[in-house]
Amino acid sequence: DVKVTQSSRYLVKRTGEKVFLECVQDMDHENMFWYRQDPGLGLRLIYFSYDVKMKEKGDIPEGYSVSREKKERFSLILESASTNQTSMYLCASSFLLGEGGSYEQYFGPGTRLTVT
Amino acid sequence: AQSVSQHNHHVILSEAASLELGCNYSYGGTVNLFWYVQYPGQHLQLLLKYFSGDPLVKGIKGFEAEFIKSKFSFNLRKPSVQWSDTAEYFCAVNQAGTALIFGKGTTLSVSS
Repeated sequence: DVKVTQSSRYLVKRTGEKVFLECVQDMDHENMFWYRQDPGLGLRLIYFSYDVKMKEKGDIPEGYSVSREKKERFSLILESASTNQTSMYLCASSFLLGEGGSYEQYFGPGTRLTVT
Repeated sequence: AQSVSQHNHHVILSEAASLELGCNYSYGGTVNLFWYVQYPGQHLQLLLKYFSGDPLVKGIKGFEAEFIKSKFSFNLRKPSVQWSDTAEYFCAVNQAGTALIFGKGTTLSVSS
C-alpha cells in the first residue's frame, strides 16, 4: 500500500513564526503536492513538485515556499505564519505519467495548523 | 480559468434513499476525472476514477459515476445510501501531467 505520512497531525504556532510541515512518501512517486483544505473552499493547490529540486506554484502560493531535496520528501514552509494560514494542510503524491496514463494522487492524513 | 463545480454544498438523506451528487468541469480536451471521499476524521480516499473507455465507472462501496462529455459532467450515484456513507465528497479533474483541481466538496449526512 502507498503510504504518505505527515510529520504532525496537530500543530499550534504563533504569528510570525517560521513553520515547517514535512511529508514523506514511500512509493518512489515523482510528483508531490501540497494543498490546504478549508470549509466551503475544498482543496486548493499551494505548490507541487515533479522532481527533486523542481517546484511549481499552484493556485495560492503566496506566503508559502517548498523544498524538495530528496525524492521521497516534500516540505512546506510558512516563512512568517499568519492567522489566515490556520488550516488543514494535505500532502499528496503520484507517479508522473504522460498522456493517457493512469494517474492517481494518494493523500496523507493532514496537519491541522492553528496560528494564534 | 479551469474549474470544477459541485452543485450541492450539503445533502441530507435517510438510509436507503438514492444519491446523486453533481459535478461539472470547465476544461477543454482530454480529462481524467475522480471522486474522492473523506470520512469524519480520516484522510482522503479514492472512490472511483475515469480515464477512458466505458463512461459508466464503478467504484468502491457501491458507488458509480457517469461521464457525459457533452455536458462536461461526472455525477456520482449510489442507489441506496447507508449511515456509514456520511462523509464529504470531492470531485476532481486533471489533464495529463498536471495536478488535480478539486471542487469545493459536498457534505453528505445520512440519518438512520
